[in-house]
Amino acid sequence: SQTIHQWPATLVQPVGSPLSLECTVEGTSNPNLYWYRQAAGRGLQLLFYSVGIGQISSEVPQNLSASRPQDRQFILSSKKLLLSDSGFYLCAWSVSGNNEQFFGPGTRLTVL
Amino acid sequence: AQSVTQLDSHVSVSEGTPVLLRCNYSSSYSPSLFWYVQHPNKGLQLLLKYTSAATLVKGINGFEAEFKKSETSFHLTKPSAHMSDAAEYFCVVSARTSGGSYIPTFGRGTSLIVHP
Repeated sequence: SQTIHQWPATLVQPVGSPLSLECTVEGTSNPNLYWYRQAAGRGLQLLFYSVGIGQISSEVPQNLSASRPQDRQFILSSKKLLLSDSGFYLCAWSVSGNNEQFFGPGTRLTVL
Repeated sequence: AQSVTQLDSHVSVSEGTPVLLRCNYSSSYSPSLFWYVQHPNKGLQLLLKYTSAATLVKGINGFEAEFKKSETSFHLTKPSAHMSDAAEYFCVVSARTSGGSYIPTFGRGTSLIVHP
């Protein structure tokens, strides 16, 4: 069966520090991968999606970036965090060509 | 282009009474529609999905939704609310892009509150 992991589960970082959040999927090959942010009281905002290794599409311009160094690994990064980067970050995957998504447990990021 | 509107940010019901969470959508293509549930500080779990088959879709935990093309709606219902149903619910529309990918659009969410 397929599983999706995110770490860390929670993170508290100072403004201006770097960020690296990791997402890995097990039990499937060549998944589509997604990063979402959920700010307090808001819905989910799609940040990035990837249909293959090294292929990243950005949905919202901001100080975040994403990389996919391996087929089942998706990394969300920032060189300098802003207060507005605080939120709940969710990774998701789907079978290529299918539109049902499966979500990870999320990472709670607090920028102070 | 596609969009989804969840008409209520909060819905409050008593345990044992019916639940109705409303969702309207727009899409340039034949869409797939989903409802997800999110409990506090957790990921999202799929409740049900519509993908152009039967218009009345049954999901987990007694939830169901009806796709009404003429009304561009996909409302979520449950005959009898349970305390464990208290959570955030998201309506999602997803259509295939010209590049062949499915890019979903999420509603802002409806918080379901269940009173004893």
